[in-house]
Amino acid sequence: QVQLVESGGGVVQPGGSLRLSCVASALSFTSYGMHWVRQAPGKGLEWVAFMQYDGSEEYYADSVKGRFTISRDNSKNALYLQMTSLRPEDTAVYYCASKAAAYYFDYWGQGTLVTVSS
Amino acid sequence: QSALTQPASVSGSPGQSITISCTGTSSDVGNYNHVSWYQHRTGKAPKVMIYEVTKRPSGVSNRFSGSKSGNTASLTISGLQAEDEADYYCCSTAVSYTSWVFGGGTKVTVL
Repeated sequence: QVQLVESGGGVVQPGGSLRLSCVASALSFTSYGMHWVRQAPGKGLEWVAFMQYDGSEEYYADSVKGRFTISRDNSKNALYLQMTSLRPEDTAVYYCASKAAAYYFDYWGQGTLVTVSS
Repeated sequence: QSALTQPASVSGSPGQSITISCTGTSSDVGNYNHVSWYQHRTGKAPKVMIYEVTKRPSGVSNRFSGSKSGNTASLTISGLQAEDEADYYCCSTAVSYTSWVFGGGTKVTVL
């Protein structure tokens, strides 16, 4: 059974940094592109970033471009999101999700909460 | 990319059918057949219900169906059941497959 487990969330002050991790099991991780998706309190889902299966391409939502960096370590079946210059509006549950060949999100983690507050 | 437009809430009685609309633009929904729908219950991971506009993943009930006309996609739930209560989100790829945009979400209530 595929599992994606996120970690690294917590409380951080505005302007601070945080690094999220997502570890996959029972998934051919090296064959999957991977996403980060977030959900702010009381709001809907928002796509954040994507990295191709081999790390060759990465894409970002305009709201995080220049502040967040997605990366992966295929030897560890791990996906990361380095978040810098954090703002209160970045407060959200962050999910990692795998990209199916047909451009949808097939497997999801349970999420990790990031709170940006002074 | 602006969020796709969904109704905030839709309700129906058990056994009825409901339809959730998802309106985008010619830059996303209207230009790609990669529209998907997700069911999201509080505290759970989202679950894909429909992909590529009309396709159902293995294990998803055939009571769920999808369609698209122009810039608007739709999710229909037939034979509504109490277990269908959840938030539903549509999603489309955009910008030559380098971006994804979600709808604002629709809360489905079974009366």
